[in-house]
Amino acid sequence: AQTVTQSQPEMSVQEAETVTLSCTYDTSENNYYLFWYKQPPSRQMILVIRQEAYKQQNATENRFSVNFQKAAKSFSLKISDSQLGDTAMYFCACGNSGGSNYKLTFGKGTLLTVNP
Amino acid sequence: GAGVSQSPSNKVTEKGKDVELRCDPISGHTALYWYRQSLGQGLEFLIYFQGNSAPDKSGLPSDRFSAERTGGSVSTLTIQRTQQEDSAVYLCASSPRTSGPETQYFGPGTRLLVL
Repeated sequence: AQTVTQSQPEMSVQEAETVTLSCTYDTSENNYYLFWYKQPPSRQMILVIRQEAYKQQNATENRFSVNFQKAAKSFSLKISDSQLGDTAMYFCACGNSGGSNYKLTFGKGTLLTVNP
Repeated sequence: GAGVSQSPSNKVTEKGKDVELRCDPISGHTALYWYRQSLGQGLEFLIYFQGNSAPDKSGLPSDRFSAERTGGSVSTLTIQRTQQEDSAVYLCASSPRTSGPETQYFGPGTRLLVL
């Protein structure tokens, strides 16, 4: 079984500033993947970034980067140069890379508001 | 190309009625997932289809919930005798399932309100 915890229900940041969203997880698997998804008011879940647990290098996608601390089971998301369009719910998720069902286990989300 | 589509976008029903929610995955994606998102909660896994294999129904909350996937493509989630606690957004996702947990591509969801 897996659990994902996002301890920040809400956060806010000024436009152009940097913000970090926290996520911790627990899994008994050795091989797994971690994801950050964004859900704007339109409800469409959009992948922000993904990290394979076997890779030590932190994933980056333009203004988005992660701080993956495998021993601490921590997977935080850093958003640089925040933009108004980044306002959304952000969900951290974990998925096994073994077995036959790659379902994702999600945290409860962090509502991020970017203020002008 | 076209993304995952779901219909209807919104559904209001009376307690006790049956509802059907539809998902059209991305063409060529063999894996299909249903999740439920209740107010203030994360996404909860419901059911998983992979090709012609038997579905993983381990997340269905009760026997009032069922789902099928016809021809390895379109999927329908059926909720019988709806209850108020079934009110939620139901999200469908698909992935190519070539190997490992590839990125899941989500539809816009169906918002279900049971009165």
